[in-house]
Amino acid sequence: EAQVTQNPRYLITVTGKKLTVTCSQNMNHEYMSWYRQDPGLGLRQIYYSMNVEVTDKGDVPEGYKVSRKEKRNFPLILESPSPNQTSLYFCASSSSGDLGFQYFGPGTRLLVL
Amino acid sequence: GNSVTQMEGPVTLSEEAFLTINCTYTATGYPSLFWYVQYPGEGLQLLLKATKADDKGSNKGFEATYRKETTSFHLEKGSVQVSDSAVYFCALSDLGYGGSQGNLIFGKGTKLSVKP
Repeated sequence: EAQVTQNPRYLITVTGKKLTVTCSQNMNHEYMSWYRQDPGLGLRQIYYSMNVEVTDKGDVPEGYKVSRKEKRNFPLILESPSPNQTSLYFCASSSSGDLGFQYFGPGTRLLVL
Repeated sequence: GNSVTQMEGPVTLSEEAFLTINCTYTATGYPSLFWYVQYPGEGLQLLLKATKADDKGSNKGFEATYRKETTSFHLEKGSVQVSDSAVYFCALSDLGYGGSQGNLIFGKGTKLSVKP
């Protein structure tokens, strides 16, 4: 079954404690992306990757890092989380030939205290 | 810059009512247009898309027509069901013509609640 998986699904942490949210896809997609969803703001892109070792900033990259060492994985790293990063995070992937058709993961709900 | 504006919700309808969710866009070049749906507790999934002017996308009884002259892509369904309750996002993708390659630009979403 084609899918994008994220872990963990829920996370409560404290300010400054480094965390990683993993994202994996099994469709051999070149393109992967991270979004955050906040009430009244919709979805905003954090980072995206066109292929292995190729990443670029989206609209709201401050406070986040990503890496793309393997095609299937695209982890999101918060090195020093702050309360304004409390949000619902989605990972997505697509083939390079149809970048508008993105498959989304189930989401990770993060609370930073 | 590129942007998407969709009607604010929430929208509450009775079962079998007609649905319209308005979406307009601003873009340079020739964007592709999409509607994504997010059911409670889930990620987004593509509902329908249109890649050029006058194209009509359709799926699960939903339709939207790409209108270049009015820069719109309104979502319609003739008879909604309780199971259509979800958040609907209009989006555009301005690929290979300025902007950031690969970015989907989303509207803020419209929450639809359908009552039995």
